[in-house]
Amino acid sequence: EAAVTQSPRNKVAVTGGKVTLSCNQTNNHNNMYWYRQDTGHGLRLIHYSYGAGSTEKGDIPDGYKASRPSQENFSLILELATPSQTSVYFCASGGGLGGLYAEQFFGPGTRLTVL
Amino acid sequence: GDSVTQKEGLVTLTEGLPVMLNCTYQTIYSNAFLFWYVHYLNESPRLLLKSSTDNKRTEHQGFHATLHKSSSSFHLQKSSAQLSDSALYYCALSDRGTNTGKLTFGDGTVLTVKP
Repeated sequence: EAAVTQSPRNKVAVTGGKVTLSCNQTNNHNNMYWYRQDTGHGLRLIHYSYGAGSTEKGDIPDGYKASRPSQENFSLILELATPSQTSVYFCASGGGLGGLYAEQFFGPGTRLTVL
Repeated sequence: GDSVTQKEGLVTLTEGLPVMLNCTYQTIYSNAFLFWYVHYLNESPRLLLKSSTDNKRTEHQGFHATLHKSSSSFHLQKSSAQLSDSALYYCALSDRGTNTGKLTFGDGTVLTVKP
């Protein structure tokens, strides 16, 4: 049973439209993360959360918002989508500890295309 | 801040030859916690191995890596490449300082193993 799921798995959006990517985890982890994956740039952190009600900016937050309504759910919101946001988005969960306990568990990814 | 460098974006090998993927890092902290994640096509990225002990070899699923703090390196190696090793490999560094559970990823290396 997959512990981190994402929906939708594929999305085509129009420029200027609103896009919401959803993530659910059953690991009971405190922390959740949103990354985008682009060739040559690896995994870049967009937003993360320490728990329900909290969101923090990652390394590339511009143009994105996040929402953590519960322990299990973490959404990434593109209010005004642009073609530069075409990418593969990964959600991950982690226990929130540092050092060797910083392992993160990833979802299957969402492929977003903005036309 | 912390950074991870994977100098090879693409490595192509013939099956049976040894694998070495380079990873170097920078951090202000004396303790470094390094990870290798593997991302197979159509799967989720997952942890391959991790280490924080200087000069100690860590092994998992036929791969091994040794953390060398003197050279800030954590190269991934395998004695004999298999076709099934073809994947995207990420080196990552744990955020030691604030215990956020955050990881800093390198840009990734695509390993392609040919018959």
